[in-house]
Amino acid sequence: DAGVIQSPRHEVTEMGQEVTLRCKPISGHNSLFWYRQTMMRGLELLIYFNNNVPIDDSGMPEDRFSAKMPNASFSTLKIQPSEPRDSAVYFCASTLRGNSNQPQHFGDGTRLSIL
Amino acid sequence: DQQVKQNSPSLSVQEGRISILNCDYTNSMFDYFLWYKKYPAEGPTFLISISSIKDKNEDGRFTVFLNKSAKHLSLHIVPSQPGDSAVYFCAASDRTNAGKSTFGDGTTLTVKP
Repeated sequence: DAGVIQSPRHEVTEMGQEVTLRCKPISGHNSLFWYRQTMMRGLELLIYFNNNVPIDDSGMPEDRFSAKMPNASFSTLKIQPSEPRDSAVYFCASTLRGNSNQPQHFGDGTRLSIL
Repeated sequence: DQQVKQNSPSLSVQEGRISILNCDYTNSMFDYFLWYKKYPAEGPTFLISISSIKDKNEDGRFTVFLNKSAKHLSLHIVPSQPGDSAVYFCAASDRTNAGKSTFGDGTTLTVKP
């Protein structure tokens, strides 16, 4: 059973560069979530989609961040331009929508370092 | 305004003893609570959950207790094993935001052999 797949696992880039993180949710799941984990802020929700439609993007820190879900099996989180304070581990998770009783399934994350 | 709080950043226990991890919440709309476990370099994985209509749910060595009046839940691990050493996240959700969960900051549990 393939779980949530994120790529790349690690990304190191220079300040000002565009960064694109990718996520493939579990087949059949129709909700997808992007999280950021830092020491200071813990695990914070950035945005989530239901049936490929963004539902709540209130956690997106600023306009430099954007997320898309062009189809049920793929999502991207883009940062442009990137800044050192964006360094964190970014997680993608998916679940079956319908009620609140569904645990989320997380990928192993992308560790992003902006120099 | 942090709606889910885990006030203990870390906890250390001896192998074989009980581990008790605590979580407090403020939003009375939350009706489902989950615990996730996270190892280094991996994503969180679901461990156990409880509905607001219950006050206890047990799965093997893991038991979650819910005190709705106090807006408090706890995870008990008995007996604790070294492999339980991980970060534990408490999460809460409500049916008006189906699928969305609010996470606490996590508690790092260390079980010493």
